[in-house]
Amino acid sequence: KAGVTQTPRYLIKTRGQQVTLSCSPISGHRSVSWYQQTPGQGLQFLFEYFSETQRNKGNFPGRFSGRQFSNSRSEMNVSTLELGDSALYLCASSLASVREDTQYFGPGTRLTVL
Amino acid sequence: AQTVTQSQPEMSVQEAETVTLSCTYDTSENNYYLFWYKQPPSRQMILVIRQEAYKQQNATENRFSVNFQKAAKSFSLKISDSQLGDTAMYFCAFLIQGAQKLVFGQGTRLTINP
Repeated sequence: KAGVTQTPRYLIKTRGQQVTLSCSPISGHRSVSWYQQTPGQGLQFLFEYFSETQRNKGNFPGRFSGRQFSNSRSEMNVSTLELGDSALYLCASSLASVREDTQYFGPGTRLTVL
Repeated sequence: AQTVTQSQPEMSVQEAETVTLSCTYDTSENNYYLFWYKQPPSRQMILVIRQEAYKQQNATENRFSVNFQKAAKSFSLKISDSQLGDTAMYFCAFLIQGAQKLVFGQGTRLTINP
């Protein structure tokens, strides 16, 4: 079974631009979560989608948004990029069933904002 | 709010030795999972081992085992017969059942020396 895939793997943008990152979950997984990883703040939860609905949201400004499609693929959008948005963005998928909540991660998208 | 603390920023051992990484957490929840993930230089986040809080038996996965002390809110990872490929950043993480929001510790950088 194929793992979680993320595209693109690397992105370079300038301040003020917007960016869209994509995540395809493991087949059969309906939950997709997004995390931001930076050297200073570590790993922080952005949001989680399940069956096209955002169920949980972390403490990030409204510039960070996401969506999920009917095939469970998810996209994350960051508008009006700031230098501090430079980070590794990880997505993870899960069955999100009663006894199976394990999250499996993709390889990440490294975003650099200049 | 849930918190996860890893008190060892860095550790270094010789190949074939046994090493134990520490993790403590704080929560008022009863139904949760605990995980150890490793992140090698490739930055891919890889699941090492998971533990359901309702299970008293400590989880094991080949050379990896945990010591789960629920009352003390402690969750340490033991790596036996360490190998060069175990060199990575190790993250302890907490997940409330059904919430799909992982809370990570700050990580322990483990180096296995030949």
